[in-house]
Amino acid sequence: GNSVTQMEGPVTLSEEAFLTINCTYTATGYPSLFWYVQYPGEGLQLLLKATKADDKGSNKGFEATYRKETTSFHLEKGSVQVSDSAVYFCALIVGGAQKLVFGQGTRLTINP
Amino acid sequence: GAGVSQSPSNKVTEKGKDVELRCDPISGHTALYWYRQSLGQGLEFLIYFQGNSAPDKSGLPSDRFSAERTGGSVSTLTIQRTQQEDSAVYLCASSLAAGETDTQYFGPGTRLTVL
Repeated sequence: GNSVTQMEGPVTLSEEAFLTINCTYTATGYPSLFWYVQYPGEGLQLLLKATKADDKGSNKGFEATYRKETTSFHLEKGSVQVSDSAVYFCALIVGGAQKLVFGQGTRLTINP
Repeated sequence: GAGVSQSPSNKVTEKGKDVELRCDPISGHTALYWYRQSLGQGLEFLIYFQGNSAPDKSGLPSDRFSAERTGGSVSTLTIQRTQQEDSAVYLCASSLAAGETDTQYFGPGTRLTVL
């Protein structure tokens, strides 16, 4: 079946630290990969996506590269801000299924 | 433009009662999805509609759950004879089409509490 495994949280960092949140997947076929973010009190928002191997998605200083050989889509940011505090979800869609399959989410807290 | 809207934002009900949750997708979006977010199960797919095609109901947890989409726009998720394990945040999303590269835009959710 299709599944997503994320780095366990919660993750706490200081402002300006480097962030990595690991995400690996299992899929029948070639999925599209997504990172969604849920800020406190807000709904889920798409952060970035990649639809084929070696594609890099980027937004708001965050990046993730679709690595087919390691079935991974790790989220990175070079210098985090307090405003990045949120829950981050890695997800996939496999063509024909249409439904997003989510990881368990990683809660990130950035301290000033 | 307006995003996906859901109502009510919060719903408290007693075990055994029926509830209806409403979703208004983004205008022009042909695909509509329902998901559930709960502490124990994380984010899980429930059902999806695409145009006039038969919905994909593969994620509905029991026959107490049903959904309809009228006129290709507004959708209602109905839970009959609610149980405490139905307590969760119910999220609706819509996308322009139903391809795997089409971004799903989520509403703010309805928090359901079953006492």
